[in-house]
Amino acid sequence: AQKVTQAQTEISVVEKEDVTLDCVYETRDTTYYLFWYKQPPSGELVFLIRRNSFDEQNEISGRYSWNFQKSTSSFNFTITASQVVDSAVYFCALSDRDSGYALNFGKGTSLLVTP
Amino acid sequence: GAVVSQHPSRVICKSGTSVKIECRSLDFQATTMFWYRQFPKQSLMLMATSNEGSKATYEQGVEKDKFLINHASLTLSTLTVTSAHPEDSSFYICSARTGMNEQFFGPGTRLTVL
Repeated sequence: AQKVTQAQTEISVVEKEDVTLDCVYETRDTTYYLFWYKQPPSGELVFLIRRNSFDEQNEISGRYSWNFQKSTSSFNFTITASQVVDSAVYFCALSDRDSGYALNFGKGTSLLVTP
Repeated sequence: GAVVSQHPSRVICKSGTSVKIECRSLDFQATTMFWYRQFPKQSLMLMATSNEGSKATYEQGVEKDKFLINHASLTLSTLTVTSAHPEDSSFYICSARTGMNEQFFGPGTRLTVL
């Protein structure tokens, strides 16, 4: 069975600090997809990244970066120089053939960035 | 990216009434749509998988007679909450899957049952 663990329930940082959100996953499939979403208070999910299991290259997009390590089944997300607008709940998710490609979400990490 | 709409965005209803939520893929065809539910301060949980032209597949613990799903076309899936009760109050969000295995989420529907 697949599982996504986000061990950090809440993180609070001061603006301009770097922060890393952890995500560890489990799956039996060799082909799977990993996602990160941001959910601001409005509730709408904001897509951040999708990574397939064959692409272990790390990704950087502006202040965001992702570290995919198959050896440790982790897909961590780092925000550099955090800003107040980054405050939100962040979800890591996994989809694979076993799940019919539905997304299995972690419990989410609530990030609060204070001025 | 592709656009998925949901209607209504917010609904308040009385206990015992039924509520229909629509999920539309606006610029692509989706053979598969998923329905998720999110209670306050919790994560999103898959309720059911909806395939065009066939019966929906429900997750364990989700009553198929209470949450009716219809996926009559490649761009529309509907979720009807029948005889809604206060415990059904939640944020319902759909996603549509493309042929390239991408998924796009709707903006969600906040249901409040009084």
